[in-house]
Amino acid sequence: EAQVTQNPRYLITVTGKKLTVTCSQNMNHEYMSWYRQDPGLGLRQIYYSMNVEVTDKGDVPEGYKVSRKEKRNFPLILESPSPNQTSLYFCASSLFKGRGNQPQHFGDGTRLSIL
Amino acid sequence: QKEVEQNSGPLSVPEGAIASLNCTYSDRGSQSFFWYRQYSGKSPELIMFIYSNGDKEDGRFTAQLNKASQYVSLLIRDSQPSDSATYLCAVQEAGNNRKLIWGLGTSLAVNP
Repeated sequence: EAQVTQNPRYLITVTGKKLTVTCSQNMNHEYMSWYRQDPGLGLRQIYYSMNVEVTDKGDVPEGYKVSRKEKRNFPLILESPSPNQTSLYFCASSLFKGRGNQPQHFGDGTRLSIL
Repeated sequence: QKEVEQNSGPLSVPEGAIASLNCTYSDRGSQSFFWYRQYSGKSPELIMFIYSNGDKEDGRFTAQLNKASQYVSLLIRDSQPSDSATYLCAVQEAGNNRKLIWGLGTSLAVNP
C-alpha cells in the first residue's frame, strides 16, 4: 500500500530536549516536505527536499533541521524544542515532474506538545 | 505577498444539494491547482487537481479553473454528511515549481 508513515503520532516532551520525528514513504517520490498546521494559520511549510541530499527552507524553518540521506526518509529534527513549536506536523511526498508540483500524499500527522 | 484566499465558512448545505467552494489566488503565473479535504484532526487528502482552464469532473466532484479571473472552484454534487470537512485550496507558486501556497480552508457542513 502506497503510504507516508510518520512516527511518533503523538509526543509530549519538555523544552530543550532534542527530538526527531521520522517520515518514510514507499512511493519512490523525489519531493518530500514538512508542514506544521496551527489554528488560524493553516498549513505552513517548514522544509522541503527535491531529492537525496537536496533540502531547502520553507516559510518557517527556524528551530528545525532536516536531512535527506535516503530517498524514502526525511526526518524532522528539533534540536532544542520550545513551547511555540507545539503544533500538528505533517510530512508529505510527491513525484516531481517537469511542470512542477504533483499531488502531495500526506502522512497521518504528529501531534507535538512542548511543555 | 502571494496569497490564496478562501471563505472560512462554515458553508452549510442540505444533504443532496450542490456545495460550491471558491478559491482566489494572487499569483497570475500559477499553473497547478489542488483541492484537498481535511477532516478534523486528520491529514489532508487529495480530492482534485487541475492544470488547464475549464472544468474537470471526477465522480461527484468538479473543479473549475479560470486563470484570467484567478479563481478555482470545487463543486460537490449530491452532497453527503460524510462530505462535512474543511476543504483546502493549494496553488503552485509561479516561477517556483517546488512550492505550494495554501489557503486556510473552507469549512463545509452537510446537514441530513
